Amino acid sequence: SAVISQKPSRDICQRGTSLTIQCQVDSQVTMMFWYRQQPGQSLTLIATANQGSEATYESGFVIDKFPISRPNLTFSTLTVSNMSPEDSSIYLCSVEPPWKNEQFFGPGTRLTVL
Amino acid sequence: DAKTTQPNSMESNEEEPVHLPCNHSTISGTDYIHWYRQLPSQGPEYVIHGLTSNVNNRMASLAIAEDRKSSTLILHRATLRDAAVYYCILSLGSGGSNYKLTFGKGTLLTVNP
Repeated sequence: SAVISQKPSRDICQRGTSLTIQCQVDSQVTMMFWYRQQPGQSLTLIATANQGSEATYESGFVIDKFPISRPNLTFSTLTVSNMSPEDSSIYLCSVEPPWKNEQFFGPGTRLTVL
Repeated sequence: DAKTTQPNSMESNEEEPVHLPCNHSTISGTDYIHWYRQLPSQGPEYVIHGLTSNVNNRMASLAIAEDRKSSTLILHRATLRDAAVYYCILSLGSGGSNYKLTFGKGTLLTVNP
């Protein structure tokens, strides 16, 4: 399996500020994904981040609001920019290792925006 | 993306089998059927996936209808640890760039001691 850690595990932020969430995996993977899970809701895919190329965003999500970096095969960041209370969610990263036809998810970052 | 329909919730007793249904009447010939579950306060975890044939692994079995318009996840002996939200998801592939997961609302499984 792939072990994924996320930092921070939780944060409380003021509206108008930005937060960068880190995702670290213990093995090299090409495909990384970022999801959002709003309170009481299911997961929604934000973007797919492949190393060496620009992230691909899903409908309703834009790079200016959720810039993503993917500097190497074990690490990615998601920034939530100019936050509002509607951005209060759990943000999760996941990876698809090349040796497994399944995704492994991180523990999530619980974000509260006041 | 092809959609799936699952019951909002189901209840089971410990050590009894559980059959979690999923309807996917608009499934295409290349769609894989995946099941993930999300335990409380955790990220989702993979359970099983299949294309046409029934599949078994150490966690569960996946029974796929002959016309592929429905499938059933089978937990052979439910434990309290199996209490979770179970998601049935279709994707264009089982790996690589086609492996985008679109989560629906899932089924909340409650296991009674």
